[in-house]
Amino acid sequence: DGGITQSPKYLFRKEGQNVTLSCEQNLNHDAMYWYRQDPGQGLRLIYYSQIVNDFQKGDIAEGYSVSREKKESFPLTVTSAQKNPTAFYLCASSLMQGRQPQHFGDGTRLSIL
Amino acid sequence: SQQGEEDPQALSIQEGENATMNCSYKTSINNLQWYRQNSGRGLVHLILIRSNEREKHSGRLRVTLDTSKKSSSLLITASRAADTASYFCATGENTNAGKSTFGDGTTLTVKP
Repeated sequence: DGGITQSPKYLFRKEGQNVTLSCEQNLNHDAMYWYRQDPGQGLRLIYYSQIVNDFQKGDIAEGYSVSREKKESFPLTVTSAQKNPTAFYLCASSLMQGRQPQHFGDGTRLSIL
Repeated sequence: SQQGEEDPQALSIQEGENATMNCSYKTSINNLQWYRQNSGRGLVHLILIRSNEREKHSGRLRVTLDTSKKSSSLLITASRAADTASYFCATGENTNAGKSTFGDGTTLTVKP
């Protein structure tokens, strides 16, 4: 079955540490996205990518970095510069950015140790 | 800033009743999408309605779009306990970037 796989499901970060969240899709989608969700709130866009080797900042990119070396993969690194990283992180993909429904993974919950 | 804003924030109904959620937005859109999120899970796409459409149905779901009022509604008929979830609208921008922007959602509780 095609879909989006996020790993790990739970992640803990120590002070000053960078952590990387994995997102892989086998839907052959061109566009991929990373969102942050805080409790009781909606999704805020961190980064998005329309094609391989290209990505753009979303609304809250500070303290995060991404890469898009392969069509299937869009890893997100939460750097030590992100002072409040505790949140639920969701990865999504779509056939065409903004014009088609997004398919979501089941998220990674990041907490601070 | 959030584009779509859902109303109400929370809704509690009995099984069998209908549930209506509303979404308002501010700028020109290409399409509007509704998603469901069960607790601790990712979002699941329900319906996409394009800016030139006024109404769309899918099973027990009915979505309307009024571009003159910049608003949309999601109606779930004959609700079931399994419909308990958060529901989000997302607006697809009518620009080259074409980003989608999500609202804060409506939390629906359906009591058996």
